[in-house]
Amino acid sequence: ETGVTQTPRHLVMGMTNKKSLKCEQHLGHNAMYWYKQSAKKPLELMFVYSLEERVENNSVPSRFSPECPNSSHLFLHLHTLQPEDSALYLCASCPSDRGGNYGYTFGSGTRLTVV
Amino acid sequence: GDSVTQMEGPVTLSEEAFLTINCTYTATGYPSLFWYVQYPGEGLQLLLKATKADDKGSNKGFEATYRKETTSFHLEKGSVQVSDSAVYFCALGFSGGYNKLIFGAGTRLAVHP
Repeated sequence: ETGVTQTPRHLVMGMTNKKSLKCEQHLGHNAMYWYKQSAKKPLELMFVYSLEERVENNSVPSRFSPECPNSSHLFLHLHTLQPEDSALYLCASCPSDRGGNYGYTFGSGTRLTVV
Repeated sequence: GDSVTQMEGPVTLSEEAFLTINCTYTATGYPSLFWYVQYPGEGLQLLLKATKADDKGSNKGFEATYRKETTSFHLEKGSVQVSDSAVYFCALGFSGGYNKLIFGAGTRLAVHP
């Protein structure tokens, strides 16, 4: 399978639950990103991994914990979330050695609802 | 800092109408420019891109020309279809580092039969 795959597509969780979002790419890319997309708000860059190292964390609350065990997989571990964390979470990847000319490949996202 | 400004939506058109979605940017260097499209319930898909001044990106009937003199990258289509209804994002990116893209706020397009 090619492209960027995100699972699950939909997730409903309580505020005391712990869950994880998964992102997988088979494009040979070595930079991966988590974005949050809320209604009527711009895309928010959350985390950036390049060559499996976290290179950016945009002041994201600690209830969001990313993990990049290898260049093909990216996780977002969630715990003690708030209702305002309900959003579409998007994963993206790109070949970090090909410069900003390439652009990102996005997954279809995980629609998260916190109840 | 670097930024992207898009026209506010929603843009509502009848089928076969001409589409323009404006995008201007502010950048300290020479970025590449992108248009992404997001259909309902989906992630963003790369629609077209241009990597240097005067380049024209095109795909699926959409076009955009990199205008350095006006720092613009307006998206156009000669005849829209209902299936073009989506949110369109303009973005800029630089080489080096981890290729961070800077996105505009998005413009929603609704096309009616």
